[in-house]
Amino acid sequence: IQLTQSPSLLSASVGDRVTLSCKGSQNINNYLAWYQQKLGEAPKLLIYKTNSLQTGIPSRFSGSGSGTDYTLTISSLHSEDLATYYCYQYNNGNTFGAGTKLELK
Amino acid sequence: QVQLKETGPDLVQLTQTLSITCTVSGFSLTTYNVHWVRQPPGKGLEWMGAMWNGGGTDYNSAFKSRLSISRDTSKSQVFLKMNSLQTDDTAKYFCARGLVYWGQGVMVTVSS
Repeated sequence: IQLTQSPSLLSASVGDRVTLSCKGSQNINNYLAWYQQKLGEAPKLLIYKTNSLQTGIPSRFSGSGSGTDYTLTISSLHSEDLATYYCYQYNNGNTFGAGTKLELK
Repeated sequence: QVQLKETGPDLVQLTQTLSITCTVSGFSLTTYNVHWVRQPPGKGLEWMGAMWNGGGTDYNSAFKSRLSISRDTSKSQVFLKMNSLQTDDTAKYFCARGLVYWGQGVMVTVSS
C-alpha cells in the first residue's frame, strides 16, 4: 500500500487549526498511525488505529478517517508542534508516507 | 523503563555488509516486536523489517534478499545485517519496539 500525504509543506500560525491528509492506494481498514518527528529526534507516536491518542499526547491532536482517506488535526497549533508528520499504515505490509513539514507562517 | 540503543559503524565501504545491534532493556524480546526503520539525510522514514516476538521475521520487499534480521533473546539484542551496500543506503537506522518506543538511531555513511 502506498501512502500519499498532503500537503508536503504547510505554513501555519500559532493558534491555527491544522489538518494534514494521508491517502492510501487501497483500503487501510483503519490501521493507520501518525508520528511527529522533530529535527534530530526519533519519531514520536501520536495516534494509532486512526483515532486512538497515544498516552501522554495532548488532546489537541486527533485523528479521523476510514477506507483510504485519513486526517490528523491539531485543534490549536502550539509552537512546539512545528515538526514533520508522517502517517504509517500497518494493514497490509508496513508503509510510511513521505511526510508533511509543518512550519511557522 | 523501556530503552533501545543501536550500535554500529559510522562508515561502511561500498558493496560491504552493514551490521547494527539493537540492545534493549525494560522488556522481553519474546513479548514485544522490534522493528527497523531507516531515514536518509533530509528524507522520510522507510520501514525495513521486523523481528516478531515469536521469533519470525518480516521484510520490506524493497530490500529483497540483502536484509537479514535476527536476535539473541539471552542478550536482549536484535541484529540487522544488510549486504551489498550502496551510497543510497546512507541513513540513520532506528530500532523501535512496536514502533512506539524508539532508539536514538545510528547514522551510517556508505563510502566509496
